[in-house]
Amino acid sequence: EPEVTQTPSHQVTQMGQEVILRCVPISNHLYFYWYRQILGQKVEFLVSFYNNEISEKSEIFDDQFSVERPDGSNFTLKIRSTKLEDSAMYFCASSESRENGYTFGSGTRLTVV
Amino acid sequence: GESVGLHLPTLSVQEGDNSIINCAYSNSASDYFIWYKQESGKGPQFIIDIRSNMDKRQGQRVTVLLNKTVKHLSLQIAATQPGDSAVYFCAENLDSGGSNYKLTFGKGTLLTVNP
Repeated sequence: EPEVTQTPSHQVTQMGQEVILRCVPISNHLYFYWYRQILGQKVEFLVSFYNNEISEKSEIFDDQFSVERPDGSNFTLKIRSTKLEDSAMYFCASSESRENGYTFGSGTRLTVV
Repeated sequence: GESVGLHLPTLSVQEGDNSIINCAYSNSASDYFIWYKQESGKGPQFIIDIRSNMDKRQGQRVTVLLNKTVKHLSLQIAATQPGDSAVYFCAENLDSGGSNYKLTFGKGTLLTVNP
């Protein structure tokens, strides 16, 4: 069964450092998303991406965050200057269309120290 | 000290029993709903979805019921197995006019299946 692949599975970074979280969506999917989940809390929407541009973003997705699809397979989330409160699980997801449910990756656990 | 984070509703059932997990969604204009299962340390796993023009949909061992009048969604799991133990989230989608969906997740229910 096709999967959304995320790397790394765990990233530890110093506060103020930049991190890039990587995702390989399912190959025939056209819509891409990042969500995050702070430990013990709800999964929260960050950003959606379609046709090489951001479709929608949440209040969490401020100017410290950016996304990129640098080639035909990868979809990345960059946090420019990490804060302690950025510590969370970050999930990438993709979908083929509006009619089909999302597929989530297994997540990257980001720990900011 | 004060605990941080959500206290999840919990449901504990015996193996073989049927489970019903409930969810109240927030937006009456939402038109698409998904149930996800999340095991510890993993991403949400799609279980079943339903569109707002339906009130019931069945899958393998699972049934989703949608009551738009009271904005309520339920997931029924038949013959619950230990492998069903996980946190279950409902998610709703409202087409905000963009090109694709944004999901809003509920806070989840922890299902524990006792052998």
